[in-house]
Amino acid sequence: GIQVEQSPPDLILQEGANSTLRCNFSDSVNNLQWFHQNPWGQLINLFYIPSGTKQNGRLSATTVATERYSLLYISSSQTTDSGVYFCAADNDYKLSFGAGTTVTVRA
Amino acid sequence: DAGVTQSPTHLIKTRGQQVTLRCSPKSGHDTVSWYQQALGQGPQFIFQYYEEEERQRGNFPDRFSGHQFPNYSSELNVNALLLGDSALYLCASSLVQPTEAFFGQGTRLTVV
Repeated sequence: GIQVEQSPPDLILQEGANSTLRCNFSDSVNNLQWFHQNPWGQLINLFYIPSGTKQNGRLSATTVATERYSLLYISSSQTTDSGVYFCAADNDYKLSFGAGTTVTVRA
Repeated sequence: DAGVTQSPTHLIKTRGQQVTLRCSPKSGHDTVSWYQQALGQGPQFIFQYYEEEERQRGNFPDRFSGHQFPNYSSELNVNALLLGDSALYLCASSLVQPTEAFFGQGTRLTVV
């Protein structure tokens, strides 16, 4: 199956700072998603982005499929952005997840 | 529009017992996938059901089995529970072709 690597594993930010999370994947993909896992465990959909660029408020994402990576940008971070961010890729009907990036935003 | 719903939310079982977890997909979705997430790790794919058949399976033993019903809802069964089966079990639904997947809130299983 496809291998997914996320970096950095941990990120500590001051409120208001910007940050970039990276996701590398080992093969071509049919689907690439970014999720935020809330403290109760639910995976919240952030972006469905097998290629191109999308923006949603303070968050944006870019996937460069030919170079097999995706980036998640968080701008003007808030304490509510804290949590674990997962990238997941699919090329054979199943999502393969990275190990996640744990983001801590300090007031 | 109801999203993906799972039941129960929490469960405590004893080693050797059997457990059944349930999932109702998002309205309009026909494909259900199950994932296991151990503490501190990313979710791992267990299997996927489409048209009431298992279409894909991850690296899980036969103790893990499933079923999909004509209304697209699904069950995950785990037999002969081990302590290592303690985890968050997540259900995802999507359309059959590679499209955006949506997850339920999960069932947290503790095996004692």
